[in-house]
Amino acid sequence: DAKTTQPPSMDCAEGRAANLPCNHSTISGNEYVYWYRQIHSQGPQYIIHGLKNNETNEMASLIITEDRKSSTLILPHATLRDTAVYYCIVRVGVTTNKLIFGTGTLLAVQP
Amino acid sequence: DAMVIQNPRYQVTQFGKPVTLSCSQTLNHNVMYWYQQKSSQAPKLLFHYYDKDFNNEADTPDNFQSRRPNTSFCFLDIRSPGLGDAAMYLCATSRDPIPTSGGAKRGNEQFFGPGTRLTVL
Repeated sequence: DAKTTQPPSMDCAEGRAANLPCNHSTISGNEYVYWYRQIHSQGPQYIIHGLKNNETNEMASLIITEDRKSSTLILPHATLRDTAVYYCIVRVGVTTNKLIFGTGTLLAVQP
Repeated sequence: DAMVIQNPRYQVTQFGKPVTLSCSQTLNHNVMYWYQQKSSQAPKLLFHYYDKDFNNEADTPDNFQSRRPNTSFCFLDIRSPGLGDAAMYLCATSRDPIPTSGGAKRGNEQFFGPGTRLTVL
């Protein structure tokens, strides 16, 4: 299973962009990169996922490097409600939907 | 709104007393998952159902069992809870991964319930 490495914590000023990095150097060609977040005392929430191309939705943008060994989740205008643990996950295998969570990054958005 | 519901939100049990946690969904998803999340740790997958097919993770203790009587409901049974089983238990659902032209399957997002916090006295 491809492992991910994330910084344990980051701070971001409210209204600024939050850029959360993730390393997944052992990712294989058919494995997708997923991002979820977990606000305190709630279940995880899906944010975005991608394979090779950059992706954008209403919540965030996902930038994947050309060699696919790392990615960055971008929250364009962070708010206090974005304070959460953000998990970068490489999906296990190509036929299942299993997710193996790593340790994640605690993003603290400061007023 | 379609959602994943977990009951109860808080459960207290005694050491060794069997306990059942429940999960229901209105999303009509065919895959359901159970995760255990201990304090300050990431969620850990215990098992999942692909339709009626049960898939246990290799390191899930035998003390943990699951039942899925129909598409909408899934139960987590802890036969003899120990103090180390105190945790948040999360249920999630998803659709079947979507095949792509390259042969890989594009996975579908998992929808999580709010969790049940289990305390063992």
